[in-house]
Amino acid sequence: EAQVTQNPRYLITVTGKKLTVTCSQNMNHEYMSWYRQDPGLGLRQIYYSMNVEVTDKGDVPEGYKVSRKEKRNFPLILESPSPNQTSLYFCASSDLERSSYNEQFFGPGTRLTVL
Amino acid sequence: GQNIDQPTEMTATEGAIVQINCTYQTSGFNGLFWYQQHAGEAPTFLSYNVLDGLEEKGRFSSFLSRSKGYSYLLLKELQMKDSASYLCAVLDSNYQLIWGAGTKLIIKP
Repeated sequence: EAQVTQNPRYLITVTGKKLTVTCSQNMNHEYMSWYRQDPGLGLRQIYYSMNVEVTDKGDVPEGYKVSRKEKRNFPLILESPSPNQTSLYFCASSDLERSSYNEQFFGPGTRLTVL
Repeated sequence: GQNIDQPTEMTATEGAIVQINCTYQTSGFNGLFWYQQHAGEAPTFLSYNVLDGLEEKGRFSSFLSRSKGYSYLLLKELQMKDSASYLCAVLDSNYQLIWGAGTKLIIKP
């Protein structure tokens, strides 16, 4: 089954304790992206990657890191989480080509609470 | 700056028709998407418009006017399961998706 998986689905942590949220897709998509979603603000892009070893900042990259060592995986790293990073996080992937559209496929989401 | 506007919340009755509007101002345009998102779940793709006009897909239709920077999503024969948020997103000139904050649709019996 074609899908995007994220782990963990729920996480409660404390300020300053490094954490990683994993994202994996099995559709051989080149494009992957991380979003956070907060009430009233919609989806905001954190980082995206057009291909292996190519990553770029989105709208709200501060406090986050990513890596793209393999095509299927795109982990999100919070080196020193703070309470303002409490949010619902989504990973997404697409076979985005500049000559055509492709829908983004979303993972199930990770609800993160930083105390 | 780039901006996408949608109503925050709408209410409609089961069996009726509802139109959710989206206006946008973006750096370039390479298409407009509508996604459905149930509470606490991931967004799922509904439609894509890149040319002016109406695209129909079952009970859902999406319309685009590029000259007006305007789109709407039309939902017919509303069902209780249509209660969700509807997200409008525009693909800009850099092929990045710009998202609206979403419209929460409440369906009443």
